[in-house]
Amino acid sequence: NAGVTQTPKFRILKIGQSMTLQCTQDMNHNYMYWYRQDPGMGLKLIYYSVGAGITDKGEVPNGYNVSRSTTEDFPLRLELAAPSQTSVYFCASSPHGDTQYFGPGTRLTVL
Amino acid sequence: GESVGLHLPTLSVQEGDNSIINCAYSNSASDYFIWYKQESGKGPQFIIDIRSNMDKRQGQRVTVLLNKTVKHLSLQIAATQPGDSAVYFCAADTSGGGADGLTFGKGTHLIIQP
Repeated sequence: NAGVTQTPKFRILKIGQSMTLQCTQDMNHNYMYWYRQDPGMGLKLIYYSVGAGITDKGEVPNGYNVSRSTTEDFPLRLELAAPSQTSVYFCASSPHGDTQYFGPGTRLTVL
Repeated sequence: GESVGLHLPTLSVQEGDNSIINCAYSNSASDYFIWYKQESGKGPQFIIDIRSNMDKRQGQRVTVLLNKTVKHLSLQIAATQPGDSAVYFCAADTSGGGADGLTFGKGTHLIIQP
């Protein structure tokens, strides 16, 4: 199993541009999550999903959107990038909603 | 809600010594706790977890202690090795299953002195 994979690894955006961060897991986990991690800080939950077709907001959802059309994929969409969205983004999955397994992260810079 | 905090942002230990990383949480309803290790440039890696019906759990070279009375948990790493150098996060869950994610502390950077 590859586990949780994320693409791209790095990205630089201009203010106002849009992009999608991809996340895929091959462990057949129902639960998936998106977090952001700012320097020196813990992880903040953006969105989560308890199964295909079901998504819900986390602690910091503003400026982001998600979809969950399949069990494997949970893409995160930034519509109008802002400098405040400069961060490292981590996707995670969980079989039962407890222990979470993380991807390697996407480092995003908005200039 | 829940807030999770670590007592020290940095901990320096000698190679071979035992390391103890502490964490406090605020919500007495929190019932599940996880320790993660994050190496530079990588995602958090699961180390060990514990549920609120336990006060101690052991893994390979690691032990987690939970004191619900004072809302405190600790991670003990035995015989610390250079590969243990990383940022360690504790996380707490109050939803009974983590469906809405975990609340993470800011992390303690463990530095191993040769």
